[in-house]
Amino acid sequence: DAKTTQPPSMDCAEGRAANLPCNHSTISGNEYVYWYRQIHSQGPQYIIHGLKNNETNEMASLIITEDRKSSTLILPHATLRDTAVYYCIVEQEYGNKLVFGAGTILRVKS
Amino acid sequence: DADVTQTPRNRITKTGKRIMLECSQTKGHDRMYWYRQDPGLGLRLIYYSFDVKDINKGEISDGYSVSRQAQAKFSLSLESAIPNQTALYFCATSWGPQPQHFGDGTRLSIL
Repeated sequence: DAKTTQPPSMDCAEGRAANLPCNHSTISGNEYVYWYRQIHSQGPQYIIHGLKNNETNEMASLIITEDRKSSTLILPHATLRDTAVYYCIVEQEYGNKLVFGAGTILRVKS
Repeated sequence: DADVTQTPRNRITKTGKRIMLECSQTKGHDRMYWYRQDPGLGLRLIYYSFDVKDINKGEISDGYSVSRQAQAKFSLSLESAIPNQTALYFCATSWGPQPQHFGDGTRLSIL
């Protein structure tokens, strides 16, 4: 079973920030939070990952709560091309056995 | 990811046939993976390999086998295809524990 809980769907206006939540209350100390997304039926695309500090890259920011039981993926200026299924995954950094849940369908609307 | 190539992209076949899906990569990654995805669901891991001599079962390996012919090639076989193996299949690669890179998938239909 997936170790994460995500809302099934969210809407976001184009140009606004998209904030995608994820709960992972059973995360253990050596597990990372990974985010991938899947556009239509293409192969998933890696976005970002982190352990406990907030992370930012050219695609997104990842905010992890201090107790590490939840996190938020932020797409700062969503575009129509960001419409996709977003998966939050908890995994040991050296494990690589990703377990995908159902994810969140993000619909960016003009 | 254009550096992870899956063939064929689409395949329709009949129950009982032996099917091989192939994956090749030009990224020089050591780890390779096979996943399947059913409609409306996330991906599930079938098999994975951390190097040429290493093969490991994933969550749903029954009915499947794999071969890691070279570092760049990882093939998935369905020995005797059945209709409930109809799905979208993805190959992925990674360099060690780094994030995975996925191919564009193979859509397999078994009649």
